Amino acid sequence: AQSVTQLDSQVPVFEEAPVELRCNYSSSVSVYLFWYVQYPNQGLQLLLKYLSGSTLVKGINGFEAEFNKSQTSFHLRKPSVHISDTAEYFCAVSDQGFQKLVFGTGTRLLVSP
Amino acid sequence: DGGITQSPKYLFRKEGQNVTLSCEQNLNHDAMYWYRQDPGQGLRLIYYSQIVNDFQKGDIAEGYSVSREKKESFPLTVTSAQKNPTAFYLCASSISGGRDETQYFGPGTRLLVL
Repeated sequence: AQSVTQLDSQVPVFEEAPVELRCNYSSSVSVYLFWYVQYPNQGLQLLLKYLSGSTLVKGINGFEAEFNKSQTSFHLRKPSVHISDTAEYFCAVSDQGFQKLVFGTGTRLLVSP
Repeated sequence: DGGITQSPKYLFRKEGQNVTLSCEQNLNHDAMYWYRQDPGQGLRLIYYSQIVNDFQKGDIAEGYSVSREKKESFPLTVTSAQKNPTAFYLCASSISGGRDETQYFGPGTRLLVL
C-alpha cells in the first residue's frame, strides 16, 4: 500500500527566509504527486503537481517542488516566504486506477516577522 | 462563480442521532469525494463516487453513508454507529476521477458532539 510521510509537523521560519517542506512516499508503481495548501478553517487548494516530464515543478505563489525517484521524495520549496504563506501543507500521492489520493499528515508552516 | 459549497459550517450532534452534511458543486464534475480531517492525521477518504448512482467505500467508511442521486450533490450522513464523529469534514470533486486530476475542495463542515 502506498503511503506518504511528512516528517516535520511544524516548520517555523522568518519572513523572507527560504523554506523546504519535506515529503517522502512509498509506492511500488509509478506515482503522481501533489502538494495542497490549507489556510485556517478552509478547504484545500492545489499548489502544484508532478505527473511526468521535468522533475522540477513550479506552482502557484512562488512555490516549486522537485521529484526525486531514487530517494522517493517530493520536497516543496520557496526561496522567500511571506507572512501570508502561513498555512498547513499536505503532500499526496495517487497511483494506478481511479484517483484515490493518500495524504501525508501535513506540515504547518509558521512565518513570523 | 463555479465551486463547491458545504453546509452547514458547524454542526452539532447529540448521542444516537444521525446527521447529514451537504455538498453541492456546480463545476460539472463527475467524481466527488468525502474526507475526514483530524488533527495530526491528515485527510482520510470516507467515500467516493465516480458517477451518478454509484459510490465506493474509502478507507474509513464504517459509520457513514452517502447517496449520489444527482451529479451536483453528494450528501454524507454520519450515523449513530460512528462513535467518534468529531472532526472536520471536507468534500471535493474532480472532472472524472482520473489519477492526474486536481481535486477541488469545499470549505468544510466542522462536526461536534454534544
